[in-house]
Formats: sequence, structure tokens, C-alpha cells
Amino acid sequence: DQQVKQNSPSLSVQEGRISILNCDYTNSMFDYFLWYKKYPAEGPTFLISISSIKDKNEDGRFTVFLNKSAKHLSLHIVPSQPGDSAVYFCAASAWVGNEKLTFGTGTRLTIIP
Amino acid sequence: DTGVSQDPRHKITKRGQNVTFRCDPISEHNRLYWYRQTLGQGPEFLTYFQNEAQLEKSRLLSDRFSAERPKGSFSTLEIQRTEQGDSAMYLCASSPTGTGTFGYTFGSGTRLTVV
Repeated sequence: DQQVKQNSPSLSVQEGRISILNCDYTNSMFDYFLWYKKYPAEGPTFLISISSIKDKNEDGRFTVFLNKSAKHLSLHIVPSQPGDSAVYFCAASAWVGNEKLTFGTGTRLTIIP
Repeated sequence: DTGVSQDPRHKITKRGQNVTFRCDPISEHNRLYWYRQTLGQGPEFLTYFQNEAQLEKSRLLSDRFSAERPKGSFSTLEIQRTEQGDSAMYLCASSPTGTGTFGYTFGSGTRLTVV
């Protein structure tokens, strides 16, 4: 039972353009959502998060949008840079202070110079 | 930099053997977590500690798995009688109290191959 889904295993984007990574979830108890970035041979690195009381959170080139009614979130990267090439994981937890994260299967983003 | 350290980075073992992995968290972090990542999947929660107390265990943590954090500092994850299905990346993470999931710092993982 995949509670957090990333339906695009891979995505290629031209450098300078916008990258949009999508994530869907099924568990209505999830209240906090996070994006992690992972390079080969390294552990995941926290990128940005959003709580269910917001519909948007921005940090530099990264913006996360949450549509709670659709149980959908997306990560926008603008402008995309070659260093953004990595695997991106969407993750969710039921409430802050709940220590367990449920991850999606990841999307491999490739930025084409 | 005193990030989360995991040892070994790679381990190849024969089916049926026991293996033990070590995780050294960031020194001021009192929460420590273990996750497992198999090929093509995201990390899956295994267990977590608050200091030396193991507070939650996943159903994924079968009887062959045991985790300890004896003095509230480093942690070990042992797998007994390894099976080929145990082949995965085992990730450790730590966080300070009060930050919950937002304060996670992951280590680089231990890749286990069972042959």
C-alpha cells in the first residue's frame, strides 16, 4: 500500500527552465510534507517542507505547493541548474513530532545543459 | 563537520550470516532513526530512539532484526541469519529533540548485499 506516490520515475529539463516534480498521497492523516534530494552514494538531504495549514512555501529557487483537497503536492525549481540533477523524494508525516516519515519512490531529475 | 556517520559503507555477506551496522549521530542529537531503502523504492522507516529508549518499531523489523542504542549515543543494527531480501541500503538519521521530522540529518548509508 503506497501511501505516497511519485508517478514519474524520471524527468529531464533544460537548464534555466522550470522543473516541476509531483507527488500524490492517500492518507488523509498526513499533515506535514517534505522534499528530500539525494545524490548517489549520499544520504537524502532535506530541501523544503510545508504544513497542511499552508498551500505554498518558498525558499529561494524552490517552491512547494500543496493542494490538500486533491491530496497533491508539487515542487517547483526555478531556474533549474545542473547541480539540481539528483533523485527527489517526497515524504509525509502525520504531525510534527511524529518521528516516522513515509517516502515516495522518488523522481530522478536530470538537468540538461 | 560532525555529520551522521555510518560504518561500514558497504557489506557483502553470505546468506545465513549475521551482520551488524553502526551509526554515530550528530553529538547533540538525542533522536536516532533507522530506515531501509531497496532498489527503486524510497526509504522505509524501521525504528527510532529517543536517547537509549527505542520508542517505535516498524512491522518491517522482523525478529531477525535488532537495534540498540546502549548509552544514548551511537546505535547498532544487527541482522541475524541474513536473507537475500535483506539486500538494501540501510540509512541512519538523527535529530535534536523538538524538531521532529524537520530536523532529520541522514548519514550516507550502509549498502548490504546478501549473496
